Amino acid sequence: QKEVEQNSGPLSVPEGAIASLNCTYSDRGSQSFFWYRQYSGKSPELIMFIYSNGDKEDGRFTAQLNKASQYVSLLIRDSQPSDSATYLCAVRKRAGSYQLTFGKGTKLSVIP
Amino acid sequence: NAGVTQTPKFQVLKTGQSMTLQCAQDMNHNSMYWYRQDPGMGLRLIYYSASEGTTDKGEVPNGYNVSRLNKREFSLRLESAAPSQTSVYFCASRTGQNSNQPQHFGDGTRLSIL
Repeated sequence: QKEVEQNSGPLSVPEGAIASLNCTYSDRGSQSFFWYRQYSGKSPELIMFIYSNGDKEDGRFTAQLNKASQYVSLLIRDSQPSDSATYLCAVRKRAGSYQLTFGKGTKLSVIP
Repeated sequence: NAGVTQTPKFQVLKTGQSMTLQCAQDMNHNSMYWYRQDPGMGLRLIYYSASEGTTDKGEVPNGYNVSRLNKREFSLRLESAAPSQTSVYFCASRTGQNSNQPQHFGDGTRLSIL
């Protein structure tokens, strides 16, 4: 089992819809979880991070963490064409660890 | 505030040539990282430096060396470039004072080895 798994997509949603991006991880002791957005040809940029079970909201973005089921998700409400990008899930496995393990990313396409 | 600066942005090498990728950050971060990103492979960690004076191997260190020159600068060296090292290289940094703090990325170096 890969350490961090994401559906590669592409995930296509119409403009204004909710986009749901999922990520599962294999190490039950993982501590912190990060969502990055990467536009084609650009560098990853942080959207948000979460480390406690439940939901965390920031504007149109909501991160959801379920440690018992070992998944983290990102919801994008009122999706815009400018949200079209690849979304990377990253996991810090142990408290104090300096390393992140990245999933391969999910490509999102928002159709006008 | 420039953040994380990588040079060069593009480079073409011949097999067997050597080169050093430069990375500098102005955020007073303790930890710095080098990743490579290949199509379908995601971001893979090459080396990292948890703090000035220390370096450690990541997932794919073979064929690379690093130097943490000071707190600001972390360089990646290819001693004898191979076509398999054609990739996009990203440098990142993190404060290191709180394990929940994210990594911040530079704009990347696109390296082609012929």
